[in-house]
Amino acid sequence: ETGVTQSPTHLIKTRGQQVTLRCSSQSGHNTVSWYQQALGQGPQFIFQYYREEENGRGNFPPRFSGLQFPNYSSELNVNALELDDSALYLCASSSVAYTYNEQFFGPGTRLTVL
Amino acid sequence: DAKTTQPNSMESNEEEPVHLPCNHSTISGTDYIHWYRQLPSQGPEYVIHGLTSNVNNRMASLAIAEDRKSSTLILHRATLRDAAVYYCIKSRDNYGQNFVFGPGTRLSVLP
Repeated sequence: ETGVTQSPTHLIKTRGQQVTLRCSSQSGHNTVSWYQQALGQGPQFIFQYYREEENGRGNFPPRFSGLQFPNYSSELNVNALELDDSALYLCASSSVAYTYNEQFFGPGTRLTVL
Repeated sequence: DAKTTQPNSMESNEEEPVHLPCNHSTISGTDYIHWYRQLPSQGPEYVIHGLTSNVNNRMASLAIAEDRKSSTLILHRATLRDAAVYYCIKSRDNYGQNFVFGPGTRLSVLP
C-alpha cells in the first residue's frame, strides 16, 4: 500500500508569484485535506476536497485554491504569494468509507517565499 | 476559541510511562478528541481518538475525564522513537475538516 506523497519537497518562490503543490493520496482514499504549518506552530486547516468538490474551508483567502482529480490526487494553488506564505504545506488523505476518518499525512512541501 | 490547551514541553525517561495532559474546557457533547503526533521532519500521524469512554490501542491509551473537559494521552513505556510533538484536537466530527491544531506538547525522551 503506497502512502501519501507530495511534490516537490522544497520550493523557493518570490513575492507575487504563483505556486502549485501536488499530493497523491493513499490508495483507496477519496478525501484530501490541505494544511499550512508555519515554523514552530501546529498545522492550520486550509480546505478539504471530497469527490472533487470542496468540502470545507478554513480561514484562508481565495488566493488559496485547490483541485481534486478523478484519481483522488490533488493540487494546492496559491496566487500572489506573500512572505507570510512561507511554510510547510501538508496534505492528508482519508476515506469516508470507514467509521473513523484517520488522516494519513504526507511529508509536506517546504515553500519559501523571498 | 476552538483550540485545546497543552503544556509546551515535557520530558520522560526511556521505558517509563508518560502522561500528556490536554484541556478542552469548551468541548461540546458531540465533539471528538483526537491525538496526533509529529515526528521530526515528518507529517503528523494518528495516535488515538475518543468521544466519551477511555480508549486503548496498540500505541497508547486515552483517558477522558468524566466531564470531558480534559483528557490524558498515556504512553505506557516511552521509547526514543516517541520523541515528537503531540497534538490534542477537538472537533465536532471525525472527518478532519474542522481540525484545529494548537502548538502541541514537545515530548523529549531521555535514554
